[in-house]
Amino acid sequence: KNEVEQSPQNLTAQEGEFITINCSYSVGISALHWLQQHPGGGIVSLFMLSSGKKKHGRLIATINIQEKHSSLHITASHPRDSAVYICALAMNRDDKIIFGKGTRLHILP
Amino acid sequence: DVKVTQSSRYLVKRTGEKVFLECVQDMDHENMFWYRQDPGLGLRLIYFSYDVKMKEKGDIPEGYSVSREKKERFSLILESASTNQTSMYLCASSLPGYSGANVLTFGAGSRLTVL
Repeated sequence: KNEVEQSPQNLTAQEGEFITINCSYSVGISALHWLQQHPGGGIVSLFMLSSGKKKHGRLIATINIQEKHSSLHITASHPRDSAVYICALAMNRDDKIIFGKGTRLHILP
Repeated sequence: DVKVTQSSRYLVKRTGEKVFLECVQDMDHENMFWYRQDPGLGLRLIYFSYDVKMKEKGDIPEGYSVSREKKERFSLILESASTNQTSMYLCASSLPGYSGANVLTFGAGSRLTVL
């Protein structure tokens, strides 16, 4: 069983829709990262969180430590939000980061 | 604007060639990492370094080596490139200490094709 699972793998939505991307994990973590990767490769760190909720512009990230689950929400989605979104776990057991396989988001104009 | 710069965005090499991938950061970060990214597999750690002249193997170090002679520069070396090393290579850096608790800053990636 994978230690981190993202869903959905692919998501296509219309501009303006509310988007939710989920990340579930099965291990103890000290923090969870959400990353964004645009076509072409470069990765940008969006959030690092260990509890509760963080907001930056139209992006909101939440984490429930007891349920081992995090969500990334995008409000009023826009075609420029089209990217791969990656969940990454900072492990408790060692100084490692485990990356999810990513969710490919495509926002249609 | 802080930056991690990878020297080559696209490279095409032949089997058996020696390949150097260079990564330079201007943030005075102690920690530097090399990952490879393949479809369906996510990012996998090849090597990392917490200090100058220091290196540690990641999850998939076979076929690779690294060099960190200066704090700002972390090089990935493929001694004899093989076709299964065709991939996207990503360099990252972070502040010192427990790497999982620090934000990673990534380079733009180097897409290597080995023929």
